[in-house]
Amino acid sequence: GQNIDQPTEMTATEGAIVQINCTYQTSGFNGLFWYQQHAGEAPTFLSYNVLDGLEEKGRFSSFLSRSKGYSYLLLKELQMKDSASYLCAEGSGAGSYQLTFGKGTKLSVIP
Amino acid sequence: DVKVTQSSRYLVKRTGEKVFLECVQDMDHENMFWYRQDPGLGLRLIYFSYDVKMKEKGDIPEGYSVSREKKERFSLILESASTNQTSMYLCASTKDDGDPEQFFGPGTRLTVL
Repeated sequence: GQNIDQPTEMTATEGAIVQINCTYQTSGFNGLFWYQQHAGEAPTFLSYNVLDGLEEKGRFSSFLSRSKGYSYLLLKELQMKDSASYLCAEGSGAGSYQLTFGKGTKLSVIP
Repeated sequence: DVKVTQSSRYLVKRTGEKVFLECVQDMDHENMFWYRQDPGLGLRLIYFSYDVKMKEKGDIPEGYSVSREKKERFSLILESASTNQTSMYLCASTKDDGDPEQFFGPGTRLTVL
C-alpha cells in the first residue's frame, strides 16, 4: 500500500525555514526519497532515508519515522531558487528501485 | 556525470498512430524506468526493466509496451496513441549497486491530437 500524501502548495519567505511533510503507508516500505523539480525540468535527487532520524545535507535535511509512516524535508535559509516542486517518493522492491511518488508540493519562495 | 537522454523534447502525434519514445543512458545502469507526469496526479510508473530483455509492469501499463534490447536503451511504445496519453513522459535509470538514486532524463512532452 503506497498512498503518499503531501501538501499541494506552500509559500515561504526568503531566508526563512520551511518544512514539507509527507505521510505514506508502511507496508512494503523500502526507503523514502525526496526529489526537487523546477518547472519544465526533470526531477533531481535530494535525499534518501531508510533508517529513522535526520539526514542533513547543507541547507536541506530530511527526517524519517518508519513507525509513523512520516517524513519531512526541511529547507533552511530559503533562496528564491528554491521555488520548485518537492516530490516525496516511497521505495519498494529489491534495492528500493521501484518508486511511488506523491503528487508533489509546489513551494513558492517570496521576497 | 550520469546522462539520461530522451529522443525528443516535444512530440505531436495523431490518434491511432504508433509512437516510439526512446531513452538512452550512458552510465551502464541496469535499471531503467518510464513514468508519465500529469498535473494533479504526479509521477506515475508505467514500466520498468532490471536487465536487457526484462520488463515489469508499473502502476499504469495499459496502452503501453516497452522494449529493452540493449542495456543502455529503453523504449516506450504506444501501440495506438489516444488523446488521454497526452502527457509528459520521463525516463530514469539507476545502477544496481545499492545506490537507489534515480537519474531522470529531460522528458518528452507528447501531445496526441
